[in-house]
Order: sequence, then C-alpha cells, then structure tokens
Amino acid sequence: GENVEQHPSTLSVQEGDSAVIKCTYSDSASNYFPWYKQELGKRPQLIIDIRSNVGEKKDQRIAVTLNKTAKHFSLHITETQPEDSAVYFCAARAYSGGGADGLTFGKGTHLIIQP
Amino acid sequence: EAQVTQNPRYLITVTGKKLTVTCSQNMNHEYMSWYRQDPGLGLRQIYYSMNVEVTDKGDVPEGYKVSRKEKRNFPLILESPSPNQTSLYFCASSLGTGGYEQYFGPGTRLTVT
Repeated sequence: GENVEQHPSTLSVQEGDSAVIKCTYSDSASNYFPWYKQELGKRPQLIIDIRSNVGEKKDQRIAVTLNKTAKHFSLHITETQPEDSAVYFCAARAYSGGGADGLTFGKGTHLIIQP
Repeated sequence: EAQVTQNPRYLITVTGKKLTVTCSQNMNHEYMSWYRQDPGLGLRQIYYSMNVEVTDKGDVPEGYKVSRKEKRNFPLILESPSPNQTSLYFCASSLGTGGYEQYFGPGTRLTVT
C-alpha cells in the first residue's frame, strides 16, 4: 500500500516568515495530493490540493509543488500569520488493485507561528 | 447546511461493551470513510465505502465493523472494544473517489477503560 512520510513533525517560524512542509510518497500510481489543516480541537479541513498532471498550484499565501519523479510534494506558506498555527497533514490517494482506493495521510506537522 | 455529523461526540465505555458511532452526511456523497487519530500517528483509515453496500478495509480495520445500508449513513461498530481503541475518530465523506475534497465530521472522542 501507499506510505506517506511528512517532515518536520514540528516547525516554528517567526510571524511574517515562510514555512515549508515536505512529504514523500511511495506509490507511483498515486495521483491526488491534498493538504489539510487542523486547528486545535477542530476537524481537518482541506486547504489546497494538487493532481499529478500539475507541478505547482497557488492560492493566495499558500502553494503546493509536486515532483512526480522524486515522489515528493511540499506545502509553502508565505507571510505567515498567527492564524496559520495548526497541525498540517499531507495525504496521497492510494490505489489498490481492485480499483478501490483511499487517502493515506502523513503523521502531521505542528506549525507554530512565533509573534 | 451541508455537513457531516457524528454521534456521540464523547464516549467513555468499558472493555467488551459493544458500541456504535453514527455518521451521517446530507450532501448525497457516494464516498464515506472512517479514520482514527492518535498522537504522533496522524490520521489512519479504518474502513471506507464507495457506495451503498460497498465497503472495504483501510489500513487499520482490526476490531471494527461498518455498514452502508443507506447512502447518507455509515456507522462504525466496535463489537468488543479494547483500551487500544481509545482514540479520536473522524468520519468523512466526498463526492467520489477521483480526488474530491473530503469533508470531515466533528470527531468522536472514545475512551475504553
């Protein structure tokens, strides 16, 4: 099955600086890579996603890049703000032989924005 | 309002006492899934369902059962809960499996003593 590794597990940055979270995946057939943000005590919510036919996608201060050859993808947050403090999860859509599939998540990155 | 609901939100139970956590969505989504979240382990998929009467195991299915008799409901059943099933459980749904956004429920915090 799919295996997703996420680094770092904790990331502390100064407010206004950029933050980068990296993930690698193992299944070359995976083709959908979402990022979810989970604030303390809340449910995970999708913030951005990318499909394997695209190398980069941006939405205001957040961007995701995908390198299919190296099987890794990254989340970039620029001009970080206090409300960016949360746990971020990357995920990859995993295939199984029968056509059924599910999302495999990384273990999460706790992003701390220092004032 | 489009949403995924779960009940109960909090549950403390004893080892061996069967329990069911309900999940319901009002978005006519075909795909539904259960995850458990444990510190340092992220979100791990327990079971998923691609449509009514179609379910499949995720990464950690041992000790759990599910059913999908109606499109909107996807209950999670613990026939004989054990302490290692103490966790935060999330139900999620999406339009399909082709890379659609998954909408998560509010979570159910289960403690098994």
